[in-house]
Amino acid sequence: GEDVEQSLFLSVREGDSSVINCTYTDSSSTYLYWYKQEPGAGLQLLTYIFSNMDMKQDQRLTVLLNKKDKHLSLRIADTQTGDSAIYFCAEAMNSGYSTLTFGKGTMLLVSP
Amino acid sequence: DGGITQSPKYLFRKEGQNVTLSCEQNLNHDAMYWYRQDPGQGLRLIYYSQIVNDFQKGDIAEGYSVSREKKESFPLTVTSAQKNPTAFYLCASSIESRGGDQYFGAGTRLSVL
Repeated sequence: GEDVEQSLFLSVREGDSSVINCTYTDSSSTYLYWYKQEPGAGLQLLTYIFSNMDMKQDQRLTVLLNKKDKHLSLRIADTQTGDSAIYFCAEAMNSGYSTLTFGKGTMLLVSP
Repeated sequence: DGGITQSPKYLFRKEGQNVTLSCEQNLNHDAMYWYRQDPGQGLRLIYYSQIVNDFQKGDIAEGYSVSREKKESFPLTVTSAQKNPTAFYLCASSIESRGGDQYFGAGTRLSVL
């Protein structure tokens, strides 16, 4: 079955880098996603990586994918207090139409 | 502006009552989804629809119903059969061919009186 796991909580200081980790179990996943949820709001797509890539960088965000270990990480450089939110990892199962399987989310708390 | 609108933001349900949550999108997306979010549980898929007049059950469809009569609209009814309806409900949409790039509404928080 499909299962996406994340650590529940991460606390960093403003200006530090944050690394949020995710493991998934389905090797047939084709796209892997990171979403951000601020309190009381919906989810916002941050970035995604295709399964044939190892790394993707987008401004302060870097996504690393280790297919052998089924491990995905999101690095946020120069973390700001506005980055405090819940971050969800999600996987899509195939190259055509697909629903997403979400992890339970990692709460990132950034202190000044 | 293009986006997804959910209403109401807060909703209260009495015992034995059916309530309907609204979801409208003007992104011209083919696919729409309903998720339930409980604290510490992540998102669980209730129903999804790839095209007008067609929808499929997700992981936790029992006690819920949907319709997709128009491309723009995908309302969710929480029926009296759903014994634990208190949760945050999120609607999303996507271009069918890329089901993973989902755009979310701001959510409806449902509580039981």
